Amino acid sequence: AQKVTQAQTEISVVEKEDVTLDCVYETRDTTYYLFWYKQPPSGELVFLIRRNSFDEQNEISGRYSWNFQKSTSSFNFTITASQVVDSAVYFCALSGGGGGTSYGKLTFGQGTILTVHP
Amino acid sequence: DGGITQSPKYLFRKEGQNVTLSCEQNLNHDAMYWYRQDPGQGLRLIYYSQIVNDFQKGDIAEGYSVSREKKESFPLTVTSAQKNPTAFYLCASWSGRLGNTIYFGEGSWLTVV
Repeated sequence: AQKVTQAQTEISVVEKEDVTLDCVYETRDTTYYLFWYKQPPSGELVFLIRRNSFDEQNEISGRYSWNFQKSTSSFNFTITASQVVDSAVYFCALSGGGGGTSYGKLTFGQGTILTVHP
Repeated sequence: DGGITQSPKYLFRKEGQNVTLSCEQNLNHDAMYWYRQDPGQGLRLIYYSQIVNDFQKGDIAEGYSVSREKKESFPLTVTSAQKNPTAFYLCASWSGRLGNTIYFGEGSWLTVV
């Protein structure tokens, strides 16, 4: 069975601080995908990044960066110089890389509520 | 604009009633999914469909039903058998090509009164 754990339930920071959201996953699949989604107060899930299990290259996109380490089964997300607009719930998710609909069958972590204060 | 449209955004249901949540996508995606979100929890999979006229149960299908008569539509019915239906419901779709983005709708809030 697949499992995703986001140990941080809530994080509160002051604007311009850097913040890292932790994600640890469990899977027996050799091919899998990891995702981060952002859920603002309006409710929709906004896609941020996707990584497959064969691509451990870390990525930076503007103020966002991701650290994928298969050795520790972790896929952490960092926001540099946080802003009030970053306040949201952030979800880490895992899917299988097999055929059929397994890719879209996401296993979500419980989410981390990030609050950025001005 | 291409995307997933869910309606209604807010819905109130009396106990014992069935309600249907709409999900329509114009992305020409083959696969569609329904997730449920409870406060302080992640999303859990209710049902999914890979092609028209075919669908499978997810992890928490009891008390729910779906249909997939058209590629672009995947409505979810919350039946009276669902013991605790108050939740936020999200519909998602995917092209079917591995590695492509999985898109979500804006969700529907269902409250039992």
